[in-house]
Amino acid sequence: SQQGEEDPQALSIQEGENATMNCSYKTSINNLQWYRQNSGRGLVHLILIRSNEREKHSGRLRVTLDTSKKSSSLLITASRAADTASYFCATSNAGNNRKLIWGLGTSLAVNP
Amino acid sequence: EAQVTQNPRYLITVTGKKLTVTCSQNMNHEYMSWYRQDPGLGLRQIYYSMNVEVTDKGDVPEGYKVSRKEKRNFPLILESPSPNQTSLYFCASSFYRTTSNEQYFGPGTRLTVT
Repeated sequence: SQQGEEDPQALSIQEGENATMNCSYKTSINNLQWYRQNSGRGLVHLILIRSNEREKHSGRLRVTLDTSKKSSSLLITASRAADTASYFCATSNAGNNRKLIWGLGTSLAVNP
Repeated sequence: EAQVTQNPRYLITVTGKKLTVTCSQNMNHEYMSWYRQDPGLGLRQIYYSMNVEVTDKGDVPEGYKVSRKEKRNFPLILESPSPNQTSLYFCASSFYRTTSNEQYFGPGTRLTVT
C-alpha cells in the first residue's frame, strides 16, 4: 500500500539550481525518510526526520516536516549532475515502526 | 564494509522453473525485507522478517516464499515463476528499533520470466 505521494513526479533543472520535492502522507508517523535511487540501482538512505522534529540538514540536503499538514519537503541546494536520480519518501507509521510505506518517487534530472 | 548482497544480479528464466534469489547482510540487522519495483507501481513489499524464524507477508506475497534460518540470510524463492513476476527485486535490512529504522538496500536482481 502506498502512503507517500511525491510531488512533482518529474523535475528538470540546471546545475547549480535548487531542487525541491514534496511528500504527503495520510496517517500518523514515527518518522519520515528520504531515499535516492540511481537508475536501476538499490536505494540509498539520505536522511530521516522524526515526528517531533521540524527541520533537519545533511550537507546540501534540507528536510522539513509539517505533521499538521502531513507533508515533508526535500531541498537539494546547488544541485549537481550527479544528483540526477529518483527520490523517494517513506514513512514509518505509528504502531509499526519497522514497515516503511513508500511513495512513487520524484524523478530529478540535473542538466549540466 | 557494511553491505547487503544479492545474487544473481540478472536472471532470465522460463515459466515454472523454480528459482532462488539470495540475500545476505553483514550488519547484524534483525529486520529484513524483500521488495519488487515495477514502473508506475513503486516499491511493493513482498515479505519481511523481524528476526530469525519470524517471517510475515507484505503487500504482494502471492507466488513467493521466504525463509530466515540465519540472521544474515533471507532468500526469496519463486516455486513456479510466471511472466507477471518479471520485475526488479530488492532485498533490504535494518535494525529493529523504534528510534530509527533506515533501510539498507542490496543492488537489485533483475528477473525476466519468459
